[in-house]
Amino acid sequence: ETGVTQTPRHLVMGMTNKKSLKCEQHLGHNAMYWYKQSAKKPLELMFVYNFKEQTENNSVPSRFSPECPNSSHLFLHLHTLQPEDSALYLCASSTRDGNNSPLHFGNGTRLTVT
Amino acid sequence: QKEVEQDPGPLSVPEGAIVSLNCTYSNSAFQYFMWYRQYSRKGPELLMYTYSSGNKEDGRFTAQVDKSSKYISLFIRDSQPSDSATYLCAMSRPGGSYIPTFGRGTSLIVHP
Repeated sequence: ETGVTQTPRHLVMGMTNKKSLKCEQHLGHNAMYWYKQSAKKPLELMFVYNFKEQTENNSVPSRFSPECPNSSHLFLHLHTLQPEDSALYLCASSTRDGNNSPLHFGNGTRLTVT
Repeated sequence: QKEVEQDPGPLSVPEGAIVSLNCTYSNSAFQYFMWYRQYSRKGPELLMYTYSSGNKEDGRFTAQVDKSSKYISLFIRDSQPSDSATYLCAMSRPGGSYIPTFGRGTSLIVHP
């Protein structure tokens, strides 16, 4: 079992729904990330939190709203999504200690917007 | 030009073959190089992590970095059907605050 847990594994939502994705890491890391993975495209960085502070927002539409209450938990709140937002959403964590520690990923939430 | 180029494949090989997966990059500041393996319906898992140029071996896997050519490779010896997955390369600049840049991933199929 991965040290990064994401729930739910699958989510189907209509364009007018509001839902949240949850991520929890058990690795003692201090940075957490949201990525979007679409078929045949590189991973798209969405948000980065370092010690609970958001340090990156990669021009993500406001219908995606992140929340990081502590270094172990990360949420992605979704509302009024579009069909093109259907993708695999991956959470990752790492140690931001100046040593370029690699990212550790969860198994993702497969999101389908109808 | 994309910062990291990776052929998406698919690459299909028979069991037992030596597999070579490659990425090229344009940013000479990259010093840390990673290979991730992603099985279907799973997240990427770190396979190899190297710093600067040279080779690193771990079991059947060898990661090779040629900074002069801006080219990295992952070799898999005696490939197995269980190696069938998507392999993503990633690289980052030194300093600790830089987030890795990923390639598109190469889909590998090892058939019995």
